[in-house]
Amino acid sequence: NAGVTQTPKFQVLKTGQSMTLQCAQDMNHNSMYWYRQDPGMGLRLIYYSASEGTTDKGEVPNGYNVSRLNKREFSLRLESAAPSQTSVYFCASKAQTSTDTQYFGPGTRLTVL
Amino acid sequence: GENVEQHPSTLSVQEGDSAVIKCTYSDSASNYFPWYKQELGKRPQLIIDIRSNVGEKKDQRIAVTLNKTAKHFSLHITETQPEDSAVYFCAARKTDKLIFGTGTRLQVFP
Repeated sequence: NAGVTQTPKFQVLKTGQSMTLQCAQDMNHNSMYWYRQDPGMGLRLIYYSASEGTTDKGEVPNGYNVSRLNKREFSLRLESAAPSQTSVYFCASKAQTSTDTQYFGPGTRLTVL
Repeated sequence: GENVEQHPSTLSVQEGDSAVIKCTYSDSASNYFPWYKQELGKRPQLIIDIRSNVGEKKDQRIAVTLNKTAKHFSLHITETQPEDSAVYFCAARKTDKLIFGTGTRLQVFP
């Protein structure tokens, strides 16, 4: 099992460009999450999907959109990137059982110039 | 919504000493409290967690305590080793979302 995978690992964008961050999990998990991590701010939830076909806003959703393509994949899109979106982005997934453990992907480091 | 505060932001200890990190949460409906460890350049990984029906949980050198009345929980690491150096995050869960604290950078000096 690869667990949670993310692509790309690094990305540099210019202000106003768009891009999609990809996340996939092979653990048959129902719930998936997108976080951003900034120095001194911890991990902040952008969007999450409790099950295939549903998505909900987290703490910091502005400037982002998500798609739960199927049970395995959950993508995060930046339509018009801004320097304030420079961050490390982590995807995570969780089984819909009594266990609460979220498993994180390796992260995508995004720089917006 | 839920708010989680974490202290201290940095902590330096001598190898073999104990380290304690504290978190407070605001929403009394939160019922699950995990702790994650993140080494430099790596992903966060769960090291221990506790549910609201338990007051304390221990796993070898690490333990977590929960005081529901005061709405705070703490991570205790005993006999610290250099490989414990990392950033530690607490979190609180209500429904299906985790809200994280801002992290504690722990440095263990040999």
